Amino acid sequence: AQKVTQAQTEISVVEKEDVTLDCVYETRDTTYYLFWYKQPPSGELVFLIRRNSFDEQNEISGRYSWNFQKSTSSFNFTITASQVVDSAVYFCALSGGRETSGSRLTFGEGTQLTVNP
Amino acid sequence: DTEVTQTPKHLVMGMTNKKSLKCEQHMGHRAMYWYKQKAKKPPELMFVYSYEKLSINESVPSRFSPECPNSSLLNLHLHALQPEDSALYLCASSQPWGRVIYEQYFGPGTRLTVT
Repeated sequence: AQKVTQAQTEISVVEKEDVTLDCVYETRDTTYYLFWYKQPPSGELVFLIRRNSFDEQNEISGRYSWNFQKSTSSFNFTITASQVVDSAVYFCALSGGRETSGSRLTFGEGTQLTVNP
Repeated sequence: DTEVTQTPKHLVMGMTNKKSLKCEQHMGHRAMYWYKQKAKKPPELMFVYSYEKLSINESVPSRFSPECPNSSLLNLHLHALQPEDSALYLCASSQPWGRVIYEQYFGPGTRLTVT
C-alpha cells in the first residue's frame, strides 16, 4: 500500500518569508515517482514537479526548491520569498513504477498555504 | 495556460436529470482520467482510460458512466445522481505509463451541485 502524509494542514506566513511544506511517503515499490501540485482557489491542479526515485538530486526552479531524501522518505517543498499569489492548497502525490500502480496517484491531504501581505 | 479543457464550468442538476461532463485535451496524450474532489479533500480517482480503453474503474456507482470517443475527448455521463455526488469533477491527461510514469495535467474542473 502507498501512503503520503502532509502533516501541516494549514500554514500562514507573511509575504517575503520562506516557507517549507513537508511531505513524507510510504511505498514498497523500488521504483516510484513523486509529484507536487498546486491548487489555487480557482480549482485547477497545476503540476509543479515530478521526481523519480532513482534521482535524488534536489531541484530549484525560481523561488521554488525541492529536497528529496530517500533515507527519510521525504520530499519537501520550499518557497523562498513567498508572495500572495503563492496562496493555494499544495498536494504531494506518489505513483508506483509498475503498470498497475503507475496510473494511480496517491495524494496527501494537502497543505493550505496562506501568504498575507 | 491549461491544455485540458472542461465544460461546463458549473452544473446544477436535479436527481432525476441526465447530464454530461466533457473534457478535451490538446497535448497528444493517450491516457485520460476522471477524479472527484470534495471540499478540503484530495482528488479521488474514478476512472482511467488508456488508448481509449477503460483500464481502471475504482468501483464507481453505475450512475456515473464514462466514455472516451477518441484520444482527445473524455465524457462523464451522469444519471440519477444523489446530493452527496456534489463535488468538483476534474479531468486529467498524461502520456500512457510504461517504463516511465509521467505527470498528469488537470483541467479546471466542473463544479457539480445535485439538488
